[in-house]
Amino acid sequence: DAGVTQSPTHLIKTRGQQVTLRCSPKSGHDTVSWYQQALGQGPQFIFQYYEEEERQRGNFPDRFSGHQFPNYSSELNVNALLLGDSALYLCASRGTRSGNTIYFGEGSWLTVV
Amino acid sequence: AQSVTQLDSQVPVFEEAPVELRCNYSSSVSVYLFWYVQYPNQGLQLLLKYLSGSTLVKGINGFEAEFNKSQTSFHLRKPSVHISDTAEYFCAVSDHGGTGFQKLVFGTGTRLLVSP
Repeated sequence: DAGVTQSPTHLIKTRGQQVTLRCSPKSGHDTVSWYQQALGQGPQFIFQYYEEEERQRGNFPDRFSGHQFPNYSSELNVNALLLGDSALYLCASRGTRSGNTIYFGEGSWLTVV
Repeated sequence: AQSVTQLDSQVPVFEEAPVELRCNYSSSVSVYLFWYVQYPNQGLQLLLKYLSGSTLVKGINGFEAEFNKSQTSFHLRKPSVHISDTAEYFCAVSDHGGTGFQKLVFGTGTRLLVSP
């Protein structure tokens, strides 16, 4: 049973560029959330997707956007990258009919230079 | 809204000694509580969770935690640590997600440093 998988694992981008991160949820899970973890900090909630719609959003600007596909996989897009966007981006999944535990992927390390 | 306070940013301990990592939370509604562990350059792994029932929760790798509603605490304990327990530990809280929505609010983490 595959867990939450994310790609790419590491990437380097230049200020002003755009980035797309991808996530496949754990088998049987239909809800995907994205978190940003800056160095030395706890993860911060970005947004959650369910039934291909954004259900809730944290305190992040509109430069951060996402998408969920019919197979429940998800993308996180960040436009106009800033140095402060450098962080570990974590995808988490949950099954609405399989309990209240959220499982995390290994994350995508984004460095903006 | 919920918040989590992890009182210790770093806890040094010798191998085979007991350890307690402290977590306090604030919430106006009933919550679920979680502890996650993050090894260097890795994602988050669930250690244990409190959803309901017994306030003493046992998790993986010999860890346990006790939910104390009156003190709004959820401290993590292990009676004897190993070198391999060296990692960052995060306490997190969520509401009950009655609307189908559930997000985790994390503390700032406690770095457990186990030395020989």
